[in-house]
Amino acid sequence: DAMVIQNPRYQVTQFGKPVTLSCSQTLNHNVMYWYQQKSSQAPKLLFHYYDKDFNNEADTPDNFQSRRPNTSFCFLDIRSPGLGDAAMYLCATSRESAGTTDTQYFGPGTRLTVL
Amino acid sequence: AQKVTQAQTEISVVEKEDVTLDCVYETRDTTYYLFWYKQPPSGELVFLIRRNSFDEQNEISGRYSWNFQKSTSSFNFTITASQVVDSAVYFCALSESLYNFNKFYFGSGTKLNVKP
Repeated sequence: DAMVIQNPRYQVTQFGKPVTLSCSQTLNHNVMYWYQQKSSQAPKLLFHYYDKDFNNEADTPDNFQSRRPNTSFCFLDIRSPGLGDAAMYLCATSRESAGTTDTQYFGPGTRLTVL
Repeated sequence: AQKVTQAQTEISVVEKEDVTLDCVYETRDTTYYLFWYKQPPSGELVFLIRRNSFDEQNEISGRYSWNFQKSTSSFNFTITASQVVDSAVYFCALSESLYNFNKFYFGSGTKLNVKP
């Protein structure tokens, strides 16, 4: 089945130690998104890639970076995690083109713990 | 500005009861899309439905039904004969069409507890 895969499902890191979360998709969608979701809150968009074009949300901290080496993979790098970065990180994909709105399909998420 | 309001923070029902989750939205766009997602305790956001602003027909899918009313800017979700497996957080979302993607605005979610 076509899907969005996130690894690992659970990640524990230490305060200030860089961490990378990964997302892959078999849907061949051209847009990939990273969301941060804290407990009892709605998902918050951090950034997205439209093909290879990276688009940062204005309020996304510089501590968060992303890479998309090819259509299928996208990585979220947190350079120096703080306690406030503990959250669920959700990857999503969609197939976008001018004049249409596609559904965003989400992966299972990576729950990040910062010690 | 785009905004989605889910006024019900948490709802508890007993199995087999019907339950309606409310969603009210604000937008200046004439063309827009509305979505419902389910987030079970495992964390994955599961897509349930997409509806565009020109299609006000109500939709039914098994025990799920959706009532879209542009006049009141609402897109409510009803679960008939609820089951324990329906327990989850449900998010309503509105899409905004930007230059190269569609940004989703999520409501704050409604946590549904279905008790046996």
